[in-house]
Amino acid sequence: GQQVMQIPQYQHVQEGEDFTTYCNSSTTLSNIQWYKQRPGGHPVFLIQLVKSGEVKKQKRLTFQFGEAKKNSSLHITATQTTDVGTYFCAGFHYNTDKLIFGTGTRLQVFP
Amino acid sequence: DVKVTQSSRYLVKRTGEKVFLECVQDMDHENMFWYRQDPGLGLRLIYFSYDVKMKEKGDIPEGYSVSREKKERFSLILESASTNQTSMYLCASSVRWGLYEQYFGPGTRLTVT
Repeated sequence: GQQVMQIPQYQHVQEGEDFTTYCNSSTTLSNIQWYKQRPGGHPVFLIQLVKSGEVKKQKRLTFQFGEAKKNSSLHITATQTTDVGTYFCAGFHYNTDKLIFGTGTRLQVFP
Repeated sequence: DVKVTQSSRYLVKRTGEKVFLECVQDMDHENMFWYRQDPGLGLRLIYFSYDVKMKEKGDIPEGYSVSREKKERFSLILESASTNQTSMYLCASSVRWGLYEQYFGPGTRLTVT
């Protein structure tokens, strides 16, 4: 079946360092969504990418969708303690018409 | 703001009990979803509904059923709870099917002893 894998599973960084999480799908996606879940909270939608090669920015966060629409990345520049949480990608698969969530990357930021 | 509420934040049930988890959304969304979240496995779709009285199986429907009698309410039922159903259960809704973001409820942490 369709799978969406994320790496790394965990990442610990010093405040001010950059962070990147990668999302890879076994099949082509029609879109990719990114969500953030704070500790003890629920996933909250961040952004959606639809076009091949698309890049979007939200302040210190940069989101990319691969040319083949099978992978995506989220890069955070100069992390802050408020960035702590688990970041999930979720891809919508053409052939199953389902949104499949990735396994998530848990980010810890040390002050 | 879209609000998705779930009936309980924490629930403890015994093996074999019938368990009802309720979810209500207040934005007239067509689609509603039930996920379970387990460490290292991400969010896995149990069931979803795209209309009243309509339901579709997700990736892990075994041991669960759902009910959607009204547009705003989507219930998850564990017919006979088992210890391997101990998990965080998240309800979500979206405007309609397709390229729309999902809004999540606060989650119910269910422990089956």
